[in-house]
Amino acid sequence: EPEVTQTPSHQVTQMGQEVILRCVPISNHLYFYWYRQILGQKVEFLVSFYNNEISEKSEIFDDQFSVERPDGSNFTLKIRSTKLEDSAMYFCASRGATYEQYFGPGTRLTVT
Amino acid sequence: AQSVTQPDIHITVSEGASLELRCNYSYGATPYLFWYVQSPGQGLQLLLKYFSGDTLVQGIKGFEAEFKRSQSSFNLRKPSVHWSDAAEYFCAVAPMDSSYKLIFGSGTRLLVRP
Repeated sequence: EPEVTQTPSHQVTQMGQEVILRCVPISNHLYFYWYRQILGQKVEFLVSFYNNEISEKSEIFDDQFSVERPDGSNFTLKIRSTKLEDSAMYFCASRGATYEQYFGPGTRLTVT
Repeated sequence: AQSVTQPDIHITVSEGASLELRCNYSYGATPYLFWYVQSPGQGLQLLLKYFSGDTLVQGIKGFEAEFKRSQSSFNLRKPSVHWSDAAEYFCAVAPMDSSYKLIFGSGTRLLVRP
């Protein structure tokens, strides 16, 4: 069964450093999403991406964040200058023509 | 304001007992509705979904959910809980006036007594 994969599973970085979180969506999906979950809190939408551009973003997704689909398979989330409050689990999701989203296992980002 | 509410933070049931997890939403029009399950340290697995039609939907692992438009609810049920069902359950909605992003409730943690 096709699945969404994410790398790395855990990333530790120092405040102010740039991080890139990687995702490989399900191969025939066209819509891609990033969400985050701060420990003990609900899952929050960050950004949606379709046809090589952002289709919607939340207030959390400020200028420090960017997304890219550099090739036909990867979908990345970059945080330019990490802050302590960026520590969270980041989930990638994808969907096809129907509306259900399939999630990857997540990347735990720890900013020290 | 648009919101998804899961009023129960924790629920404890005995193995073999029935289960109902509550979810209410507040949106102008009926959004698409979902339940996801998250085991500790794991990602989110889709349990079931409602788009239209029959208001009682069946999902994986023996779960079902009923959409009630008059109550803006989408409660999750299971007739007999297994110890492996212990996890966190999230109700989510996808408003149709957006990129179908998911708006999640705060989750209900299910504990199962032997």
